[in-house]
Amino acid sequence: EPEVTQTPSHQVTQMGQEVILRCVPISNHLYFYWYRQILGQKVEFLVSFYNNEISEKSEIFDDQFSVERPDGSNFTLKIRSTKLEDSAMYFCASKLAENNEQFFGPGTRLTVL
Amino acid sequence: DQQVKQNSPSLSVQEGRISILNCDYTNSMFDYFLWYKKYPAEGPTFLISISSIKDKNEDGRFTVFLNKSAKHLSLHIVPSQPGDSAVYFCAAKRGANNLFFGTGTRLTVIP
Repeated sequence: EPEVTQTPSHQVTQMGQEVILRCVPISNHLYFYWYRQILGQKVEFLVSFYNNEISEKSEIFDDQFSVERPDGSNFTLKIRSTKLEDSAMYFCASKLAENNEQFFGPGTRLTVL
Repeated sequence: DQQVKQNSPSLSVQEGRISILNCDYTNSMFDYFLWYKKYPAEGPTFLISISSIKDKNEDGRFTVFLNKSAKHLSLHIVPSQPGDSAVYFCAAKRGANNLFFGTGTRLTVIP
């Protein structure tokens, strides 16, 4: 069964450093998302991406964040200058069509020291 | 921003009995509701969904009920099995927009 994959599974970085979280959505899916979950809190929407552009973003997704689909398979989330409060699980999700459910990847645990 | 709420952080149920997980929402524009199941160190896994034009959707042991007037939905699992032990997230959306998640309910099914 096709699945969303994410790498790395765990990323440790120093505050102020740039990180890139990678996702490979399900191959024929058209809508892509990033969510995050701070430990003990709910899953929060960051950004959605469709037709090679951001379709929606939350207040969390400030100028330090960017997304890219550099080729036909990868979908990346970049945090330019990480802060301690960026420590969280980051989930990528994709879906085929507008009214379909989103399929989530296993997540990347980001730890900012 | 608590548009989707799950007021019970945990629930314990005996194996074979019914598990009922509840969810409330505040945004009347939501038109699609989903339940996701999450195990530790894994991403949420889609379980079942319901459109706002329905009041019930059933899939095997899982049934979701939607009460639009009360802005309430529930997930029934019957019979509950130990493998159902996980955190269950309710989520809602409007159109193609992003999902709003509740805080989750940890279900423990006791053998």
